[in-house]
Amino acid sequence: AQSVTQLGSHVSVSEGALVLLRCNYSSSVPPYLFWYVQYPNQGLQLLLKYTSAATLVKGINGFEAEFKKSETSFHLTKPSAHMSDAAEYFCAVSDLRGAQKLVFGQGTRLTINP
Amino acid sequence: GAGVSQSPSNKVTEKGKDVELRCDPISGHTALYWYRQSLGQGLEFLIYFQGNSAPDKSGLPSDRFSAERTGGSVSTLTIQRTQQEDSAVYLCASSLMGSTIQETQYFGPGTRLLVL
Repeated sequence: AQSVTQLGSHVSVSEGALVLLRCNYSSSVPPYLFWYVQYPNQGLQLLLKYTSAATLVKGINGFEAEFKKSETSFHLTKPSAHMSDAAEYFCAVSDLRGAQKLVFGQGTRLTINP
Repeated sequence: GAGVSQSPSNKVTEKGKDVELRCDPISGHTALYWYRQSLGQGLEFLIYFQGNSAPDKSGLPSDRFSAERTGGSVSTLTIQRTQQEDSAVYLCASSLMGSTIQETQYFGPGTRLLVL
């Protein structure tokens, strides 16, 4: 079965600092990986997705993620944090068994300090 | 265009009562998913509909949970005899075809259910 582990349930950075949110996956087949963001009292919004076309994936709001097969990782980064980036971030992998359902990590809450 | 909508946005019910949660997917999307987001379990898949195919119910936690999708569009998730552990945010998502893994799932704002 596929699974996702997000290291750090809470991450706090200063405005303007580098954002790094960690995600490791477990999959017996080439995975499809996603990062979603959830703002307070809102649904999930797709930030970016990896579908094997390129290992470095650029998403919205200046975020990007790099797929590293040797490390089974898909960490999310942003060079310079903005106050509006404060939210909860979820890494997910597609479950290949039949339905295209997503298997999510536990989420990382990102706080931005002024 | 309009996104995925869900109603009600909040629902408070008493233990033992039945509740119905509604999801309106994006127009033209044939695939529809229900997920549950709770403090203890994180985000979990519940059920998946794709066109006229039999739904994938593998994520439903008990037989108190059921869902239907009428006319290939609107979906209703029903929880019978609610329990306190059913308290969670129920998220609905839709995608265009559901036939390719790379598809993006678009999520609604969720229904926050509180069982007293």
